[in-house]
Amino acid sequence: DGGITQSPKYLFRKEGQNVTLSCEQNLNHDAMYWYRQDPGQGLRLIYYSQIVNDFQKGDIAEGYSVSREKKESFPLTVTSAQKNPTAFYLCASSISPGTAVYNEQFFGPGTRLTVL
Amino acid sequence: AQSVTQLGSHVSVSEGALVLLRCNYSSSVPPYLFWYVQYPNQGLQLLLKYTSAATLVKGINGFEAEFKKSETSFHLTKPSAHMSDAAEYFCAVSGRGYQKVTFGTGTKLQVIP
Repeated sequence: DGGITQSPKYLFRKEGQNVTLSCEQNLNHDAMYWYRQDPGQGLRLIYYSQIVNDFQKGDIAEGYSVSREKKESFPLTVTSAQKNPTAFYLCASSISPGTAVYNEQFFGPGTRLTVL
Repeated sequence: AQSVTQLGSHVSVSEGALVLLRCNYSSSVPPYLFWYVQYPNQGLQLLLKYTSAATLVKGINGFEAEFKKSETSFHLTKPSAHMSDAAEYFCAVSGRGYQKVTFGTGTKLQVIP
């Protein structure tokens, strides 16, 4: 089955630590995204990547970093510079911007990060 | 520029009653519109999408939505609520081509037995 996987499901971090959230897709999608979800605030875009080895900041990129070395993978690192990292993180992907008429996104199951 | 407003962060309906979740959008270009559903601690699943074909769009699980350009609305409806419909629903908008998707703040649907 094609889809998006995120790991781990739950992640606990001590203050001052960096942590990396995994996102893998086998949908052959070129574009991938990271969103942060907080209660009552909807989804806010952290970073996105339209092609391998390229990525762009979203609306709330401060304190986060990403890499896109493979088409299938788009890991997100939450650094110690992120002041309030406790949230639900969602990864998504979509078809190549060169061929898509509209940007329909497919989502992974999410990772819940808690800072202790 | 684009935005989405979902009226009502919480909606309660009785089992078997009509479900109506409201979404109004703002877009400087002809929009594409989406409704997603999210169950607790899970990702978002696409319910339906408007892609400039038919204005009445049918989706999964008996949901449908009607695109009304004059009202800039894309409300989600279901004739008869089921307990399994209890979830959070997100409306989203993007423009033609490879445009950023903007999500609403979500509406939590409670179904009362």
